[in-house]
Amino acid sequence: QVKLVESGGGLVKPGGSLRLSCAASGITFTDSYMNWIRQPPGKGLEWVSYISSSGTTINYADSVKGRFTISRDNARNLLHLQMNSLRADDTAVYYCARDRTYDKNANNHWYFDLWGRGTLVSVSS
Amino acid sequence: QSVLTQPPSVSGAPGQRVTISCTGSNSNIGAGYDVHWYQQLPGTAPKLLIYANTNRPAGVPDRFSAFTSGTSASLAITGLQAEDEADYYCQSNDSGLSGSVFGGGTKLTVL
Repeated sequence: QVKLVESGGGLVKPGGSLRLSCAASGITFTDSYMNWIRQPPGKGLEWVSYISSSGTTINYADSVKGRFTISRDNARNLLHLQMNSLRADDTAVYYCARDRTYDKNANNHWYFDLWGRGTLVSVSS
Repeated sequence: QSVLTQPPSVSGAPGQRVTISCTGSNSNIGAGYDVHWYQQLPGTAPKLLIYANTNRPAGVPDRFSAFTSGTSASLAITGLQAEDEADYYCQSNDSGLSGSVFGGGTKLTVL
């Protein structure tokens, strides 16, 4: 069965750390480009970070750059997000998502075709 | 403030047709970046609805369609059903940013 399952969310104090994981099954994980996308309670979606299939290319949203680190373990089909110096505005459901990339008209495009169910991160004192 | 602008809400009666707009700029949709749409049913994760402007993944009914023109895109839903009540998001890329951008989302209410 094709699925992504996130874990590791919870309640943490401001300034604290948390490590999220995403376990992939039913897909060729080593060929998959992976992302973390978050959604604050009652609000919209925000892309957080991307990692290429080999792990050599990584990007972050400006809002998390320098605080979050994305990584992957292709031998175990796992995606991780290490979150440090957490702030109240990091409170959100965090989804892992696979993206499909293609080139068209000299641009690089991508969309998210497979999502996990999400894990809730709450940052509060 | 989202890079892509969507109306906060739209509504329609069962059987009707509704459209949801997604307005961007010359650095995203206007620059030729494709638009993709997601449906998020209450309490669930987003699901891919339309990719590459007009394409439906397997299993998505043909009641859902989309098109892009200039710096905007639109999602159309015909033959509205109660099960269509959800939040809808557009997504694209932006030449000034390193990652994806989402619209703020539109809540569809079926009256």
